Amino acid sequence: EPEVTQTPSHQVTQMGQEVILRCVPISNHLYFYWYRQILGQKVEFLVSFYNNEISEKSEIFDDQFSVERPDGSNFTLKIRSTKLEDSAMYFCASTIGVTLCQFGPGTRLTVL
Amino acid sequence: DAKTTQPPSMDCAEGRAANLPCNHSTISGNEYVYWYRQIHSQGPQYIIHGLKNNETNEMASLIITEDRKSSTLILPHATLRDTAVYYCIVGPEYGNKLVFGAGTILRVKS
Repeated sequence: EPEVTQTPSHQVTQMGQEVILRCVPISNHLYFYWYRQILGQKVEFLVSFYNNEISEKSEIFDDQFSVERPDGSNFTLKIRSTKLEDSAMYFCASTIGVTLCQFGPGTRLTVL
Repeated sequence: DAKTTQPPSMDCAEGRAANLPCNHSTISGNEYVYWYRQIHSQGPQYIIHGLKNNETNEMASLIITEDRKSSTLILPHATLRDTAVYYCIVGPEYGNKLVFGAGTILRVKS
């Protein structure tokens, strides 16, 4: 069964550094999402992406964040200048169109 | 904010049925009920969804009340591996983000 994959599984960075989190969604899926989960808190929606553009974003997704689908297979989340509060699990998800979607295993981002 | 209300935690004996309730009294006519679970900090896993009829798949059954204001997820024979946070989410059928609440922590005990 096809799966959403994410790399790296764990990323450690210094405050102020840029990070890029990578996801490979399921190949025939059309909608792509990023969610994050701060330790001990709820899973929060960050952004949705469809037809090569952002379709919706949350208040969390400010100018420090950007998403890209550079080559038709990868889907990336970039954080330009990381803050301590960006430390969280970041989950990528994709769907063919229906609301139910498949999540990746997550990337644990630790900002020191 | 999430449009559902779930108990914060439940315990279940291994091998017994786990019945997880969810209230969604403000659900709209075109909104589905979705259930996901999250085992330890892994990515959320889809379990089942339904509109108004009861649904069953290889993982679970979903019972939706006739007025659609509440539902119950049933794991028929819970195992230790079913210990997880279970999320009940309502939303339209297509292309919509998922709004997660706090969910129910299900502890399956031997």
